[in-house]
Amino acid sequence: DAGVIQSPRHEVTEMGQEVTLRCKPISGHDYLFWYRQTMMRGLELLIYFNNNVPIDDSGMPEDRFSAKMPNASFSTLKIQPSEPRDSAVYFCASSRDGGLHGYTFGSGTRLTVV
Amino acid sequence: GQSLEQPSEVTAVEGAIVQINCTYQTSGFYGLSWYQQHDGGAPTFLSYNALDGLEETGRFSSFLSRSDSYGYLLLQELQMKDSASYFCAVRDRSNAGNMLTFGGGTRLMVKP
Repeated sequence: DAGVIQSPRHEVTEMGQEVTLRCKPISGHDYLFWYRQTMMRGLELLIYFNNNVPIDDSGMPEDRFSAKMPNASFSTLKIQPSEPRDSAVYFCASSRDGGLHGYTFGSGTRLTVV
Repeated sequence: GQSLEQPSEVTAVEGAIVQINCTYQTSGFYGLSWYQQHDGGAPTFLSYNALDGLEETGRFSSFLSRSDSYGYLLLQELQMKDSASYFCAVRDRSNAGNMLTFGGGTRLMVKP
């Protein structure tokens, strides 16, 4: 298994631009999580899906952030418009049981908004 | 809500033993996990404790005391490659235990 695949690995964009981050979870994993990591705030859960359905999006910072999971093998996190304070590493993770046997994280997308 | 506390930084020498503590406050506790993250890398799962006691996996062990809301990760025979950040994370009844809340992480520096 190739693990959780995220793209792009790095993204540099200008303030105001739209950014789309992509994630392919491990096949058979029913849960997908989007986390954001910064030095100041650590690992924050943004949203998670179960069987492609968004369950908890209370961590999404504001309306500029949206996430979709159109099928079991693909999810996107979109920021529109982007702001410098969105600069962070965004991780996607998947699991088969919500964390009992651990999450598998992707390599992350390092986003820089200038 | 949940809160987790762990030291921000620990330093130890190669070959030594180090213990990273984690205290938590949550309602409806299910279990405590540990993750390792190298600089520039992704967190990787190390262990999960749901019951009191010590779980051993090679050089790493994890301990939980539910009554004390406390756990620790024990690393033995430290190697340079163990230099990384270590996160504790709780599962609790929020969202039926289907999500983890992470602590702020402990940066472990192993010196020769």
